[in-house]
Amino acid sequence: AAGVIQSPRHLIKEKRETATLKCYPIPRHDTVYWYQQGPGQDPQFLISFYEKMQSDKGSIPDRFSAQQFSDYHSELNMSSLELGDSALYFCASSPRTSGRGDTGELFFGEGSRLTVL
Amino acid sequence: AQSVTQPDIHITVSEGASLELRCNYSYGATPYLFWYVQSPGQGLQLLLKYFSGDTLVQGIKGFEAEFKRSQSSFNLRKPSVHWSDAAEYFCAVVPPRRNYQLIWGAGTKLIIKP
Repeated sequence: AAGVIQSPRHLIKEKRETATLKCYPIPRHDTVYWYQQGPGQDPQFLISFYEKMQSDKGSIPDRFSAQQFSDYHSELNMSSLELGDSALYFCASSPRTSGRGDTGELFFGEGSRLTVL
Repeated sequence: AQSVTQPDIHITVSEGASLELRCNYSYGATPYLFWYVQSPGQGLQLLLKYFSGDTLVQGIKGFEAEFKRSQSSFNLRKPSVHWSDAAEYFCAVVPPRRNYQLIWGAGTKLIIKP
């Protein structure tokens, strides 16, 4: 079965550089979430999109931005990178059902590991 | 504050022994409840979930969890662990009326003794 695809899997950047992570949700999933997991920490919610519109915002720094495109893939753009941005970045997708609404279940990609030197 | 608590940072069990990982939440209404597993350097895999109905939930890889409303708990269990179960286990909730925003516990690292 198709899963959430994230690219690149690994990325090494210098301080003050920019980085872009991409997420391709499961087909027919219209909601995408971004999480950041620092070393030894639980995932922290950054931001989510539903039908190409931002639906929820968590602890995303102002240096970061994200968007969801017409094909539902999403990109997380990170600028002025800092050492503390080194983390595993997860994308998750979920379907939105009509009527009663969501199932609450998120399907995660394998993550993109960003290392800032 | 509303939160998810996993009181055990590490748990060590012998291969073949039973396992119980604890998870408590503090929300007024019952949230959606999940257990995820993360192997070293890997992504998060859903083990099982609870939305409503039968309070004993069966998941993948032989895991089960029991929802106890009176204790605000959703403990994960496995009758006999295998060395391949060594991983970090996260309890997570979607709070009532918060639309998918997963709130995570701090995780419990499971170590298997041969």
